[in-house]
Amino acid sequence: GENVEQHPSTLSVQEGDSAVIKCTYSDSASNYFPWYKQELGKRPQLIIDIRSNVGEKKDQRIAVTLNKTAKHFSLHITETQPEDSAVYFCAASSAAGNQFYFGTGTSLTVIP
Amino acid sequence: GAVVSQHPSRVICKSGTSVKIECRSLDFQATTMFWYRQFPKQSLMLMATSNEGSKATYEQGVEKDKFLINHASLTLSTLTVTSAHPEDSSFYICSARDIRQSYGYTFGSGTRLTVV
Repeated sequence: GENVEQHPSTLSVQEGDSAVIKCTYSDSASNYFPWYKQELGKRPQLIIDIRSNVGEKKDQRIAVTLNKTAKHFSLHITETQPEDSAVYFCAASSAAGNQFYFGTGTSLTVIP
Repeated sequence: GAVVSQHPSRVICKSGTSVKIECRSLDFQATTMFWYRQFPKQSLMLMATSNEGSKATYEQGVEKDKFLINHASLTLSTLTVTSAHPEDSSFYICSARDIRQSYGYTFGSGTRLTVV
């Protein structure tokens, strides 16, 4: 099955700085890579996703890059704000299998 | 957008009893739903894939006789934790895919189970 690794497990940044979270996956059949933000006790919320046919996607302050050859993808948050503080999870999925396999999570703290 | 309702949001039960958690897709049909378990400060671990009208597919290490899954309709999947023990205390969350979309899963609001 798929194995998704995520780093770092915790990340603290000053407000206004950038944050980068990296994930690697093992299954070359995976072709869909979403990122979720989860606040304490709440459901994960999709913040951005990327499919294997593109290398980069951006949505305002959030961007995701994908390197299929190396099997890694990254989340970039620019101009961080305190409300960005949460746990972020990457995931990998294939259309054939449908299941999502999540990374171990990154607890992001944005210091005002 | 697609909405998934999960109930109950919190439940406390005694050891040895069973607890049923419901996951409903409110405005779309979901032939497949997924059940996850999340321990504090940990990631979401896929427990099983629930398939409408057929048996669920369980991930390795998940006891199918302990975590009973029923997906009797296109909008409802249930997870029953049987003979619950304190170590089953966790956050259980379901997700469902709107078959009208190629990708994109919606999560339920989660159920905090505490076994005392």
